Amino acid sequence: SQQGEEDPQALSIQEGENATMNCSYKTSINNLQWYRQNSGRGLVHLILIRSNEREKHSGRLRVTLDTSKKSSSLLITASRAADTASYFCATDGTGANNLFFGTGTRLTVIP
Amino acid sequence: NAGVTQTPKFQVLKTGQSMTLQCAQDMNHEYMSWYRQDPGMGLRLIHYSVGAGITDQGEVPNGYNVSRSTTEDFPLRLLSAAPSQTSVYFCASRGSDRRLQPQHFGDGTRLSIL
Repeated sequence: SQQGEEDPQALSIQEGENATMNCSYKTSINNLQWYRQNSGRGLVHLILIRSNEREKHSGRLRVTLDTSKKSSSLLITASRAADTASYFCATDGTGANNLFFGTGTRLTVIP
Repeated sequence: NAGVTQTPKFQVLKTGQSMTLQCAQDMNHEYMSWYRQDPGMGLRLIHYSVGAGITDQGEVPNGYNVSRSTTEDFPLRLLSAAPSQTSVYFCASRGSDRRLQPQHFGDGTRLSIL
């Protein structure tokens, strides 16, 4: 399987703390994408980082990419209860024309 | 702007029945795809299409058919439902530049096969 793997599988933090999730993958990529999924809903795109980029920011989100280690991290700063969701990384490989998703990190932010 | 619309939201079938999951997008996206999501498995690609009249298999295509007669619609057909097809199904679309454009997902169809 070409799926990525997120680490940790589950994370529980207090509101206001930072949350870091990691993603490892196996193949060469065009880009890596992070998505959020609230319970019972579809996936919502958060950030896309291209293979030639090392860091990207969007509001309270910071994503890093290390292609030499085939890994990425998502940092959510000053977390809020509304950030409670599952977070998935997905890789757009240079081969097949589709995304490969990891198994996700379940984040719980305690008010 | 509706984005990606999936119907129905919930469905219960008996083993052996057939049905079609509908997916429509209003963003004029060429690329559309179907995923299934199972606990602990992430999303797995079933079928995808890069444009009207063109479809291809993904990671788990067995037991499913697709067609793409228009840019807007990409229905997924279960030919003879099996309990192993109990899952949540997501349709997604994106623009033509895969290097830069993320996928847009519908809210899913929750399917139970008895």
